[in-house]
Amino acid sequence: GAGVSQSPSNKVTEKGKDVELRCDPISGHTALYWYRQSLGQGLEFLIYFQGNSAPDKSGLPSDRFSAERTGGSVSTLTIQRTQQEDSAVYLCASSLPQSSYEQYFGPGTRLTVT
Amino acid sequence: DQQVKQNSPSLSVQEGRISILNCDYTNSMFDYFLWYKKYPAEGPTFLISISSIKDKNEDGRFTVFLNKSAKHLSLHIVPSQPGDSAVYFCAARAYFGNEKLTFGTGTRLTIIP
Repeated sequence: GAGVSQSPSNKVTEKGKDVELRCDPISGHTALYWYRQSLGQGLEFLIYFQGNSAPDKSGLPSDRFSAERTGGSVSTLTIQRTQQEDSAVYLCASSLPQSSYEQYFGPGTRLTVT
Repeated sequence: DQQVKQNSPSLSVQEGRISILNCDYTNSMFDYFLWYKKYPAEGPTFLISISSIKDKNEDGRFTVFLNKSAKHLSLHIVPSQPGDSAVYFCAARAYFGNEKLTFGTGTRLTIIP
């Protein structure tokens, strides 16, 4: 079956512009996660959605970052007024609730802020 | 504060030999550990995991060892194959109701034919 998909695969934007990154999780996966990987760093947790529960936003680095998940499926990560330090690969993952340890990742969106 | 550490950024191993990737952690609340493998331009893929109640888990050529007293885990790949060349991430989950994974910075493994 189809895996996790993300779009766009690459995004170059000017400092100060807003960007939206999209994630389509695996069908039936109720848990969805956003991570980012900056150059030379590990994956950094950003936000977690589980079913209809309130999302865990504890990893969002600033109030410029927000995410939503519509209909328990597709998720959008929005970065407002982008800064150069936002340049990173943004990864989305999904999992079944009973195996939430084993997260399935999408290919990522490489964001470059110039 | 890096709670999961992979101190070797790279490792080269001859084909057919054993590859050993190491990972250390500091948070004693971690109760589940995972290894992910990542090829360029792809997302990480789950490889193998281990619960904190075990000290070893084996799956084919891959074995993960956990030493809780030392807060150390390792991934053994034997025999190593060229297709194993990738970046390997160690990850851990803490049991306090949050499902997030804390990742290390990765080790780039290169298998030399």
